[in-house]
Amino acid sequence: GAGVSQSPSNKVTEKGKDVELRCDPISGHTALYWYRQSLGQGLEFLIYFQGNSAPDKSGLPSDRFSAERTGESVSTLTIQRTQQEDSAVYLCASSFFRGRPTGELFFGEGSRLTVL
Amino acid sequence: AQTVTQSQPEMSVQEAETVTLSCTYDTSESDYYLFWYKQPPSRQMILVIRQEAYKQQNATENRFSVNFQKAAKSFSLKISDSQLGDAAMYFCVQGGSEKLVFGKGTKLTVNP
Repeated sequence: GAGVSQSPSNKVTEKGKDVELRCDPISGHTALYWYRQSLGQGLEFLIYFQGNSAPDKSGLPSDRFSAERTGESVSTLTIQRTQQEDSAVYLCASSFFRGRPTGELFFGEGSRLTVL
Repeated sequence: AQTVTQSQPEMSVQEAETVTLSCTYDTSESDYYLFWYKQPPSRQMILVIRQEAYKQQNATENRFSVNFQKAAKSFSLKISDSQLGDAAMYFCVQGGSEKLVFGKGTKLTVNP
């Protein structure tokens, strides 16, 4: 597709279950970000992938959160043993790095997670 | 560490008037980029305008312009002739050799 694709768009789960969120970046984009956004709030940085470099995981809030990216393609964000405070919109964005993050960030529409 | 501060959590403007959103940032780098992103209620994030730090001329995009003060590390966004469709969250973003850093956002309301 032409843009960043995220799935599912909405996910309702029960407390304690694991969830997996998927992001398909724009083809050729080497940089990929995951953010979390609570209702009406700003963006909370979670993790940053850049090419084959080690990801920047400094934003992951706990060890229940993990993310993977296969090369420069799909990324999955996994939340284990979900808690109610994990409820938020999870946004993925990608860009063409070119040596520094100068390029425009293209965002997906997000995955809204609700933990009951 | 890079930081971006938006001191106005909320702003409002009358339709057709002008509004300025403030942003300050902190970086030790000399070469970097600054952006304003808009997030309407539909939640799709959209790039509004971009400024390259080595350029002295302020960027403009139609009704949107910036006031970039490099020495003061200030990067404000001016929206002229505000329209109802400008209502959104606006995020100031700074990017250099490391990952992009977002401010906490300013919620803009446009009153008819």
